[in-house]
Amino acid sequence: EDKVVQSPLSLVVHEGDTVTLNCSYEVTNFRSLLWYKQEKKAPTFLFMLTSSGIEKKSGRLSSILDKKELFSILNITATQTGDSAIYLCAVESVDSSYKLIFGSGTRLLVRP
Amino acid sequence: EPEVTQTPSHQVTQMGQEVILRCVPISNHLYFYWYRQILGQKVEFLVSFYNNEISEKSEIFDDQFSVERPDGSNFTLKIRSTKLEDSAMYFCAGTGLGGELFFGEGSRLTVL
Repeated sequence: EDKVVQSPLSLVVHEGDTVTLNCSYEVTNFRSLLWYKQEKKAPTFLFMLTSSGIEKKSGRLSSILDKKELFSILNITATQTGDSAIYLCAVESVDSSYKLIFGSGTRLLVRP
Repeated sequence: EPEVTQTPSHQVTQMGQEVILRCVPISNHLYFYWYRQILGQKVEFLVSFYNNEISEKSEIFDDQFSVERPDGSNFTLKIRSTKLEDSAMYFCAGTGLGGELFFGEGSRLTVL
């Protein structure tokens, strides 16, 4: 059965800290892995990774995928209170029409 | 930036009543989806829709659920006879050209 496991479940840091969020997965015929940020309502798209070892970067956020070890990490440097959210990892199989399997998320709280 | 829009933002209904949730996807999206998130739980896939027909559906999407795109723009999810356990946030989503899934703001359904 396809599954996505995220760790830690929750994390509390202070502004300026760097955090690393983890996502491991098992999926048949992997196509892609996506990261989302969920604040109050809808998940907001952050990154999509399809190739191993390539880093996607946007400002203070970056992510790498390791297809051999079946995991991805999301890094946030110089955290701000606005980074407080639930970060969701999801994977997609070639066998399914863009159907995503989500992890439970990591709840990040950034204190001033 | 174009958005996936959903209505209503919140609906309260009595058990056994029919509910229709509406979505206006981004015009150049090809695949459309409904996902749901029960409070405190994972985001779960319900159904995908392509070329005016269901492409894939999950075990959750039983005979009580149906989807339509009646006028080529609105995309609807109907729950025929709501149950208490249908209470959740329902997200409409569409797939961009790069395969990324973009979510609407969600419709919160409360079944009493």
